[in-house]
Amino acid sequence: SAVISQKPSRDICQRGTSLTIQCQVDSQVTMMFWYRQQPGQSLTLIATANQGSEATYESGFVIDKFPISRPNLTFSTLTVSNMSPEDSSIYLCSVVGLDYRSDTQYFGPGTRLTVL
Amino acid sequence: LAKTTQPISMDSYEGQEVNITCSHNNIATNDYITWYQQFPSQGPRFIIQGYKTKVTNEVASLFIPADRKSSTLSLPRVSLSDTAVYYCLVGGGSNDYKLSFGAGTTVTVRA
Repeated sequence: SAVISQKPSRDICQRGTSLTIQCQVDSQVTMMFWYRQQPGQSLTLIATANQGSEATYESGFVIDKFPISRPNLTFSTLTVSNMSPEDSSIYLCSVVGLDYRSDTQYFGPGTRLTVL
Repeated sequence: LAKTTQPISMDSYEGQEVNITCSHNNIATNDYITWYQQFPSQGPRFIIQGYKTKVTNEVASLFIPADRKSSTLSLPRVSLSDTAVYYCLVGGGSNDYKLSFGAGTTVTVRA
């Protein structure tokens, strides 16, 4: 079956810096999404990564803080900018269109970010 | 996106059947019902998806009544490794495929 990978798997960063997280799928997919999961919480959708155009952000999330790229149908990046300790979370990408279930989301393994 | 309500936690013992019921009164006509399993520090894993009646796969069964305002995930003969958070989601019926995660149900299986 297709594989969704994320890099890095975890990182510890200093406040004020930025981190770019990569999501790679080994087959073309229709949609890609980015989620955040804060400690002990459920998942919150950050944005839809649109191929070749600007991402669509959910309420409470802005492009300046979470710039997203999706240059093709298998790859996307999420940058967490000007980080603060409140950004410590697991960041997950998900995809739709991975197999015959054209409407099911499949998730990557996540990137655990700790901001000091 | 339709809101879902499910129990915060459930306890069970190895070998028992676990049934988790989710309420989704505002489900839209085109929405699917999807369940995910999440272990600590891992991404959610797809378990099962259905639209109506009953769906069964090698892992679980999903029961959906005719009015589709609720659904029940059934895990047969659970083991310690089934201890996880289980999320019920409704959506995906529109072209944006967005999902709204609730709090989930923490299932703890004891020996």
